[in-house]
Amino acid sequence: DIQLTQSPSSLSASVGDRVTITCRASQSISSYLNWYQQKPGKAPNLLIYGASNLKSGAPSRFSGSGYGTDFTLTITNLQPEDFAAYYCQHSFSFPYSFGQGTKLEI
Amino acid sequence: QLLASGGSLVQPGGSLRLSCTASGFTFSSYAMSWVRQAPGKGLEWVSSMSGGGGSEDYADSVRGRFAISRDNSKSTLYLQMNSLRAEDTATYYCAKDPNKYPNYGWFDPWGQGTLVTVSS
Repeated sequence: DIQLTQSPSSLSASVGDRVTITCRASQSISSYLNWYQQKPGKAPNLLIYGASNLKSGAPSRFSGSGYGTDFTLTITNLQPEDFAAYYCQHSFSFPYSFGQGTKLEI
Repeated sequence: QLLASGGSLVQPGGSLRLSCTASGFTFSSYAMSWVRQAPGKGLEWVSSMSGGGGSEDYADSVRGRFAISRDNSKSTLYLQMNSLRAEDTATYYCAKDPNKYPNYGWFDPWGQGTLVTVSS
């Protein structure tokens, strides 16, 4: 099974900052890596699919990159509504798995 | 839009069936999945099924106890959960895949979730 390791597990930042979250896969997953945002008490919301494709309607301050085993989610010019939890997820093969999550706090 | 329902309090060893009713898209053309989240914990993929219902897969933690199914005439996805354990306590989300077969895809959108509590 493919394991995803996200870092950091928590991150403190301020409005206007640029932050980067990393996700490392235990084996190559090509570009089959997705990123989700989850706010407290809400369902997750897709941000990035296929490692670097921004979901239609998602703010352009979110971007994703990477291939193989190492991936990053970058948020530039942090806005108050961006403070949430973020998860990576692979879809290379079953069983799918998620990273353990990164909680982005003010 | 996806609307999940059926969650409740159930005793260990009991059974429960969750439902997820879809609207706004041709349900049979897309694979569907269940993902769960234990209280205060991260996300865990549970199961996926192809649009036609002929292909399915499960996490090892639920294989043999849970069964995914769908009724395309009713645009509804199901998760039959048997032999429930305390560790199955979670909010269960249904989610749509972008393709008919659940390979190389992603989850979008998600239902609002339904809470399953396994406790005596």
